[in-house]
Amino acid sequence: SQQGEEDPQALSIQEGENATMNCSYKTSINNLQWYRQNSGRGLVHLILIRSNEREKHSGRLRVTLDTSKKSSSLLITASRAADTASYFCATDKDDSWGKLQFGAGTQVVVTP
Amino acid sequence: KAGVTQTPRYLIKTRGQQVTLSCSPISGHRSVSWYQQTPGQGLQFLFEYFSETQRNKGNFPGRFSGRQFSNSRSEMNVSTLELGDSALYLCASRGGQVNTEAFFGQGTRLTVV
Repeated sequence: SQQGEEDPQALSIQEGENATMNCSYKTSINNLQWYRQNSGRGLVHLILIRSNEREKHSGRLRVTLDTSKKSSSLLITASRAADTASYFCATDKDDSWGKLQFGAGTQVVVTP
Repeated sequence: KAGVTQTPRYLIKTRGQQVTLSCSPISGHRSVSWYQQTPGQGLQFLFEYFSETQRNKGNFPGRFSGRQFSNSRSEMNVSTLELGDSALYLCASRGGQVNTEAFFGQGTRLTVV
């Protein structure tokens, strides 16, 4: 079973627009990590946000975490065609011993 | 610093055969975990090794096994391959035990025919 559920499943936007995707999870977590995957290749780590943090930024990426609602969001500002990819959230628990639980992902297409 | 290296990148095997995949973690990282990714099931956790000990195992049959060597390199083995084992196999390395990023390799694409 998957801990995280991303929403929407797919997102199509134009270059320059912002893209927002959400992730909900079910149990308490240590941290939540966001990844990008291009066409069946490896996962690229984007951001890790700890359970005691509410917001983190990295370049054009902004991640929020609301532990009371068990949800997180990833915002990509000023999207580029190169941002076209699948985005996954993954939750990490105290007793998980290295196990990340992934959601099904959001497929983002950015058209020029 | 070199990233996580997985070999081979692509494999084609026949049903019934066995396969061994290799993962070299980032230098200094002692935790290596393995995931299977398929279109139908998504990303599923296989197992995790830390300092040569398996600490956690996912819900996969015993045909899936792994090990970790003293240099932290890890291998996973799948015996008696089935068509449903066709997938992208990803390994991740982590430098610490708590609240650390998991960095993934490029994966091994296994096709069973």
